[in-house]
Amino acid sequence: SQTIHQWPATLVQPVGSPLSLECTVEGTSNPNLYWYRQAAGRGLQLLFYSVGIGQISSEVPQNLSASRPQDRQFILSSKKLLLSDSGFYLCAWSISHYGYTFGSGTRLTVV
Amino acid sequence: KQEVTQIPAALSVPEGENLVLNCSFTDSAIYNLQWFRQDPGKGLTSLLLIQSSQREQTSGRLNASLDKSSGRSTLYIAASQPGDSATYLCAVRRVNAGNNRKLIWGLGTSLAVNP
Repeated sequence: SQTIHQWPATLVQPVGSPLSLECTVEGTSNPNLYWYRQAAGRGLQLLFYSVGIGQISSEVPQNLSASRPQDRQFILSSKKLLLSDSGFYLCAWSISHYGYTFGSGTRLTVV
Repeated sequence: KQEVTQIPAALSVPEGENLVLNCSFTDSAIYNLQWFRQDPGKGLTSLLLIQSSQREQTSGRLNASLDKSSGRSTLYIAASQPGDSATYLCAVRRVNAGNNRKLIWGLGTSLAVNP
């Protein structure tokens, strides 16, 4: 069966520090991968999506970047965090006509 | 432009009631519609996925319907339980016009089922 792992679950980082959130998928090949952010009281915002290794599309200009070094690995990064980067980050995958499957999320607080 | 609206934003019911959550969308050219559940501080759990050619899907006490022509989907929860308390999110997947596979999300309905 397919599973998705996302870590860490919680992260507190100072302003200006770097960020690396990792997401891995098991049990499937060549999935579409996504990073979403959910701010308090607001809907889900798509940040990045990837249809293959090294292929990244950015939906929103921002302080973040994404990479896909392997087929089932998706990484969200920042060189210098801002206070506005705080939020709940969710990784997801999908294939063809199947629905989306989400990870358990990372709560990022930038202080 | 596709927009997704969920009504009501919040709902509080006594245990045992049957209830309906609503999701409406403005563009009927959809690939599928998916209902999710989110517990506080947790990720999203997929409940039901309805393809554009389908009218409804059922899983246990949950039943989701889809009417593309009217731009509506409903999530029916039978015999509600306190454990059903969560935020329910509706997401519409647009018909692809390229590699953009973006879901359009509603803001959710926050459900509280009281013992």
